[in-house]
Amino acid sequence: IAGITQAPTSQILAAGRRMTLRCTQDMRHNAMYWYRQDLGLGLRLIHYSNTAGTTGKGEVPDGYSVSRANTDDFPLTLASAVPSQTSVYFCASSDGTGTDTQYFGPGTRLTVL
Amino acid sequence: GQNIDQPTEMTATEGAIVQINCTYQTSGFNGLFWYQQHAGEAPTFLSYNVLDGLEEKGRFSSFLSRSKGYSYLLLKELQMKDSASYLCAVMDSNYQLIWGAGTKLIIKP
Repeated sequence: IAGITQAPTSQILAAGRRMTLRCTQDMRHNAMYWYRQDLGLGLRLIHYSNTAGTTGKGEVPDGYSVSRANTDDFPLTLASAVPSQTSVYFCASSDGTGTDTQYFGPGTRLTVL
Repeated sequence: GQNIDQPTEMTATEGAIVQINCTYQTSGFNGLFWYQQHAGEAPTFLSYNVLDGLEEKGRFSSFLSRSKGYSYLLLKELQMKDSASYLCAVMDSNYQLIWGAGTKLIIKP
């Protein structure tokens, strides 16, 4: 069982380009999340999905979009990247029951020049 | 606003005990989580507290006081592999996690 996978591992992107970060989980978790992590700041929620077919905005959604066509996949798209989107992006999932513990993917390090 | 405070950095000696504090002010409370994050890696779940008191799990324990908006993570018999950042997070009334910036723990031989 792989848990959560993310791709790519890292990427350097020119400003203005479109980019999709991929996230796949094999735990059949209902809920999925996208966070960004910047030095000196806590993880900040970008978008989330409580179940397939639904999405919601987190704390910092501007410039990002998501879709949840099925249970396993939750891609994050930057329509037109800007340098302030340089960050480490983590995808996470939870089963939405009990403690609702979130489990994280390995992250994508994105640099926008 | 919502706020999670924890020290930026702490240093401790191998074999010793260290306590990492976390204070919080959030809109609602549905539990407090501690995660460990090694440099360049993903956060991994350590503990969860929703009721007041101490939860012990091997060398790690976590304490919660909801009336004081306070938690701590206690690490005993420190090992070099415990060098990492420790993240405190509170689940708010919307069941979203609010994260602290993390405490970088440096273990010295």
